[in-house]
Amino acid sequence: AQTVTQSQPEMSVQEAETVTLSCTYDTSESDYYLFWYKQPPSRQMILVIRQEAYKQQNATENRFSVNFQKAAKSFSLKISDSQLGDAAMYFCAYFPRGEETSGSRLTFGEGTQLTVNP
Amino acid sequence: DSGVTQTPKHLITATGQRVTLRCSPRSGDLSVYWYQQSLDQGLQFLIQYYNGEERAKGNILERFSAQQFPDLHSELNLSSLELGDSALYFCASSLGQGGHNEQFFGPGTRLTVL
Repeated sequence: AQTVTQSQPEMSVQEAETVTLSCTYDTSESDYYLFWYKQPPSRQMILVIRQEAYKQQNATENRFSVNFQKAAKSFSLKISDSQLGDAAMYFCAYFPRGEETSGSRLTFGEGTQLTVNP
Repeated sequence: DSGVTQTPKHLITATGQRVTLRCSPRSGDLSVYWYQQSLDQGLQFLIQYYNGEERAKGNILERFSAQQFPDLHSELNLSSLELGDSALYFCASSLGQGGHNEQFFGPGTRLTVL
C-alpha cells in the first residue's frame, strides 16, 4: 500500500520569505501523480500544484514550485514570497496512474500547518 | 467555489442514530469520491463512484454505505453512529477517474455525534 509522510507538523515563515514543506512517499508503482493541497481555516480543500511522475521537469504554479526527486521518493513544496493568505494546512497526496479505469483514490499525508508571520 | 455542493453543512446527532450526507458534483463530472477528515485518522478515502458504479473502496466501515444516483449526485449513509464518527466529510468530483483529472472538493459536512 502506498503511504505519504509529512514529517513537519508545523512550519512558520515571515511574510515575503521562502519556505519549503517536505513530503516523502512510498510506492512500488513507477508512474503516478503527486499533489499539494491547501486547506485554509475555511476547511475548503484547494489544489495548489500537481506533478506527474513520468515528467522530469518540476511543476511550477506562480509562487509555488516543487522539487520532485523520484529516486528518493521525495516531493517538497516551495512557496516563494510568502503571503498572509498562504497560511493554511498543506497536504501532500499521491494518486496511482495505473488504476485510471478501475478506480482509485488520493492518499494523503498528515499535513503541515503553515503560519505566515507579518 | 469549486462547483461541488454538499448538504447539510453541519449535522449534530446522537450515538446510535443514522444520517445521510448529500453531494452534488460539478456539472459534467462523472466521478465522485468521499473522504473523511478526523483529528486522529487524518484525511482518509472512503469510497469512489463513477457514473453510478462503485469503483474503489477504502477503509469504509460496514456501518457506512454510499450510492451514486442516475443524476450523478451521491449520498453517504452513516448508521449506528459512534462518537468516533465525528468528523468532516468531504465529497470530491472529477470528470474521469485518473489522476490527470483534478478532484474538486466540496465544502464538507461537519458531523458531530454526541
